[in-house]
Amino acid sequence: GEDVEQSLFLSVREGDSSVINCTYTDSSSTYLYWYKQEPGAGLQLLTYIFSNMDMKQDQRLTVLLNKKDKHLSLRIADTQTGDSAIYFCAESNPTSGTYKYIFGTGTRLKVLA
Amino acid sequence: GAGVSQTPSNKVTEKGKYVELRCDPISGHTALYWYRQSLGQGPEFLIYFQGTGAADDSGLPNDRFFAVRPEGSVSTLKIQRTERGDSAVYLCASSQRSRAFDYGYTFGSGTRLTVV
Repeated sequence: GEDVEQSLFLSVREGDSSVINCTYTDSSSTYLYWYKQEPGAGLQLLTYIFSNMDMKQDQRLTVLLNKKDKHLSLRIADTQTGDSAIYFCAESNPTSGTYKYIFGTGTRLKVLA
Repeated sequence: GAGVSQTPSNKVTEKGKYVELRCDPISGHTALYWYRQSLGQGPEFLIYFQGTGAADDSGLPNDRFFAVRPEGSVSTLKIQRTERGDSAVYLCASSQRSRAFDYGYTFGSGTRLTVV
């Protein structure tokens, strides 16, 4: 079945770049997403990428997709303390017809002042 | 409403009891989803509604779980004979069906269910 994996923790210093990695198994995944979850809050969509793209940039966020290796990464430039949260990678396959997501286990990002 | 609203935000119940969790989606969003997030895990899909009908309930763990959306708006997730393993945060999300992929969902803040 489909599986999405992420490393559990990442710690960076304020002002540095953060890179959060994700691997997925479903080769038919067409849409890949990054969500942010802060304590006690719902998930917030940060950005997404279609499988026909290799890179997408949105302000401080850069998403890289390597389809051959089924690897997705999220780079946060100039990381701030407000970026401390759990980041989830998710994939979706439109051929399933249900628009459901398969989420990774999440990467807890801690930004040190 | 402006966002997806879930009530209650916290629910503590005794093992064996029945609980109902409510989700009020964004007005006009025809698609509604329930996910369950256990501690330290990512959300797991439970059920998807398109309008009033459950288009995909393949994620419901067993027949103790049931969800309805009778008027195509508010949805209720119902859990019978609760077990301690049901303790989790239950997340609801909604989207416009046609834009689910490129706009993603809007999630509510969740209901934290604790079964004691």
